[in-house]
Amino acid sequence: EAQVTQNPRYLITVTGKKLTVTCSQNMNHEYMSWYRQDPGLGLRQIYYSMNVEVTDKGDVPEGYKVSRKEKRNFPLILESPSPNQTSLYFCASSSRFGWTDTQYFGPGTRLTVL
Amino acid sequence: QKEVEQNSGPLSVPEGAIASLNCTYSDRGSQSFFWYRQYSGKSPELIMSIYSNGDKEDGRFTAQLNKASQYVSLLIRDSQPSDSATYLCAASLDEKLTFGTGTRLTIIP
Repeated sequence: EAQVTQNPRYLITVTGKKLTVTCSQNMNHEYMSWYRQDPGLGLRQIYYSMNVEVTDKGDVPEGYKVSRKEKRNFPLILESPSPNQTSLYFCASSSRFGWTDTQYFGPGTRLTVL
Repeated sequence: QKEVEQNSGPLSVPEGAIASLNCTYSDRGSQSFFWYRQYSGKSPELIMSIYSNGDKEDGRFTAQLNKASQYVSLLIRDSQPSDSATYLCAASLDEKLTFGTGTRLTIIP
């Protein structure tokens, strides 16, 4: 089954404790992206990757890191989480980024930083 | 200024009627436009995409794009209770996708 998976689905942590949210897709997609969703602010892009070893900042990259060492994986790293990073996070992928390509979203990771 | 704007709603429509959702965007360079549906607690799923001025129809859904007015809309005909969800408008520019805050739609049986 074609899918985007994220782990963990739910995470409660404390300020400053480094964490990683994994994202994996099995569709051989080139483009992957991370979003956060907050009430009243909608979905905002954090980072995206056009292909292996190619990443770029989205609209809200502060406090986050990403890496793309393999085509299928695109982990999101919070080196020192803060309460303002409490949010619902979505990973998405598409075969490439273009006019006709559908982005497939993962199930989401609900993160709470205390 | 928000790059993609939507009326947050909630928008209530009787079952069987036409639901009309609207979206405006600020960057004239935006290349393509998408409508996603998101049920509560779920991830967004693409329902329509449109790249050229005019209408695009897919079943009960019609997307309309007017680049001169920087306006995108989604019409849902014969609305069903299962259409109750939040609808997200998105615009792409280069490799970035920008979403509106979404319109919450409720179909009243």
